[in-house]
Amino acid sequence: GQQVMQIPQYQHVQEGEDFTTYCNSSTTLSNIQWYKQRPGGHPVFLIQLVKSGEVKKQKRLTFQFGEAKKNSSLHITATQTTDVGTYFCAGPGAGNMLTFGGGTRLMVKP
Amino acid sequence: GAGVSQTPSNKVTEKGKYVELRCDPISGHTALYWYRQSLGQGPEFLIYFQGTGAADDSGLPNDRFFAVRPEGSVSTLKIQRTERGDSAVYLCASSLFGRSEQYFGPGTRLTVT
Repeated sequence: GQQVMQIPQYQHVQEGEDFTTYCNSSTTLSNIQWYKQRPGGHPVFLIQLVKSGEVKKQKRLTFQFGEAKKNSSLHITATQTTDVGTYFCAGPGAGNMLTFGGGTRLMVKP
Repeated sequence: GAGVSQTPSNKVTEKGKYVELRCDPISGHTALYWYRQSLGQGPEFLIYFQGTGAADDSGLPNDRFFAVRPEGSVSTLKIQRTERGDSAVYLCASSLFGRSEQYFGPGTRLTVT
């Protein structure tokens, strides 16, 4: 079945440093979604990428979808303590059920 | 507006007992999903409803797990003969018809002792 993998599993950064998480799918995706889960919270939808090579920005966050639609990345510029949490990528399967990656847990030292 | 709600927020039960977990999706969302999340892992798909019917239950781990959505709104996940390995956070999500982004509830933390 479809597998989605993320690296790294954890990342500690100093506030103000940049952060990147990478996502790879075993199959070609129709779209890729990114979610953020704060400690003790639930996943919150951030963005969806649909087109091959697509790049989208949300303030300090930049999302990319690979040309082959099998990989994606999330880059945060100048991290802040409010960025703390686990970032998940997810790819849809039949019926829009999502296969989530294992997540990258971001910790920011002030 | 109101988001996805789930009750109870926490449930502690003894091994072998039966439990029901409830999900109330966002009003107007026809699609409803159940996921299970273990510590340090991503959510794992269990079952998907479009309206009243289970469109995909391929993620249910075994026949101890069952879910219903009789009126196309509220859904109940039922677990029979609970085992310690069932301990996890059970997340419910809903989405609008034709849209793939999902809105998650706060989850029910199930602990089987």
